[in-house]
Amino acid sequence: AQSVTQPDIHITVSEGASLELRCNYSYGATPYLFWYVQSPGQGLQLLLKYFSGDTLVQGIKGFEAEFKRSQSSFNLRKPSVHWSDAAEYFCAVSLYGGSQGNLIFGKGTKLSVKP
Amino acid sequence: GAGVSQSPRYKVAKRGQDVALRCDPISGHVSLFWYQQALGQGPEFLTYFQNEAQLDKSGLPSDRFFAERPEGSVSTLKIQRTQQEDSAVYLCASSPKGGQGPQPQHFGDGTRLSIL
Repeated sequence: AQSVTQPDIHITVSEGASLELRCNYSYGATPYLFWYVQSPGQGLQLLLKYFSGDTLVQGIKGFEAEFKRSQSSFNLRKPSVHWSDAAEYFCAVSLYGGSQGNLIFGKGTKLSVKP
Repeated sequence: GAGVSQSPRYKVAKRGQDVALRCDPISGHVSLFWYQQALGQGPEFLTYFQNEAQLDKSGLPSDRFFAERPEGSVSTLKIQRTQQEDSAVYLCASSPKGGQGPQPQHFGDGTRLSIL
């Protein structure tokens, strides 16, 4: 069965520092990969997605993620974190790209930003 | 433009009561999904509609949970005889049909359900 692992439950970084959130998936083939962000009391906002092609994908708010097939990973990065980035981040996979099948989410990583 | 709209935003019910949660997807979106998000967890899939057809309900936790989308637009998730373990945020998402390739799901803000 497919699964998604986000090993870090909570990460704290200083404003202006770089950020990397880890995501590993378990699936026999290459799934479609997503990162979503959730602010308190809000729904999920899509940051970026990987379907095929260039393994380094750019998203909104200055985020990027790199797909590494050999490591079954899709880590999220940002060179300089802003206080407004404090939120919960979810990695998700899908067999069908999200339009025809359910997403499987990791448990999330909560990001805190120190001033 | 209008996104996915869910109502009510908050619902408090006593154990044993029935509740109904509404989802208005983005206009024209064919696919509609319901997810359940327990406190401190990631969302978990409940059910999926393509137009009015419920193609996958494998995630519904019990027969107390029922979802419908009779005209292929608005959807309702109904929970009968609610239990405390039903307390969670219920998220709805919609997506265009994947005729032009895979497409991501767009989420509403959710309904926070508390069972007393």
